[in-house]
Amino acid sequence: DSGVTQTPKHLITATGQRVTLRCSPRSGDLSVYWYQQSLDQGLQFLIQYYNGEERAKGNILERFSAQQFPDLHSELNLSSLELGDSALYFCASSGTGGGLQTQYFGPGTRLLVL
Amino acid sequence: GDSVTQMEGPVTLSEEAFLTINCTYTATGYPSLFWYVQYPGEGLQLLLKATKADDKGSNKGFEATYRKETTSFHLEKGSVQVSDSAVYFCALTSTGNQFYFGTGTSLTVIP
Repeated sequence: DSGVTQTPKHLITATGQRVTLRCSPRSGDLSVYWYQQSLDQGLQFLIQYYNGEERAKGNILERFSAQQFPDLHSELNLSSLELGDSALYFCASSGTGGGLQTQYFGPGTRLLVL
Repeated sequence: GDSVTQMEGPVTLSEEAFLTINCTYTATGYPSLFWYVQYPGEGLQLLLKATKADDKGSNKGFEATYRKETTSFHLEKGSVQVSDSAVYFCALTSTGNQFYFGTGTSLTVIP
């Protein structure tokens, strides 16, 4: 158990809908990262937050957004969903978010868009 | 930009066989390199890391050496076990913020 929790574990929805994925980092970790894992594209970095502020942005679509709240949990919002958004979404956390902090991954949320 | 290229899988080995999973990278700066492992139904776990050229990371019998001259970070294990069956990801970061992962190599070890 990494100490990172993600809810829900599974999510099934329809095209055009909007969903919210939630992540609680390990106790004391300030930084949260979001990743998308799909069969054809592997693991893609989406975005990183550190202590409530966006720190780095990767291959995140405009239809996707994220935020980190004062209690340090984070939410990833996916809107206008398309079939191709079906994937595993992982959250990871680390201490300070810089240097060689080890990232601890949650178990993921599996999203299926029908 | 930065990227990681990882050997295609899947890889199937007999127990006690020697394992090599190739990983090469492209980076503009001086990245840190990582190997992560993902067991079925779980998130990724850090297996080992190396922060500078010629560093060797090691853990649970796995090793990888940071080779700047060949821009490689190949994962090796002398004798694999059934419990090593998993997906292995090579990754790098130059900033400590944005991480780049390879596509993953699935390893199955058969008794």
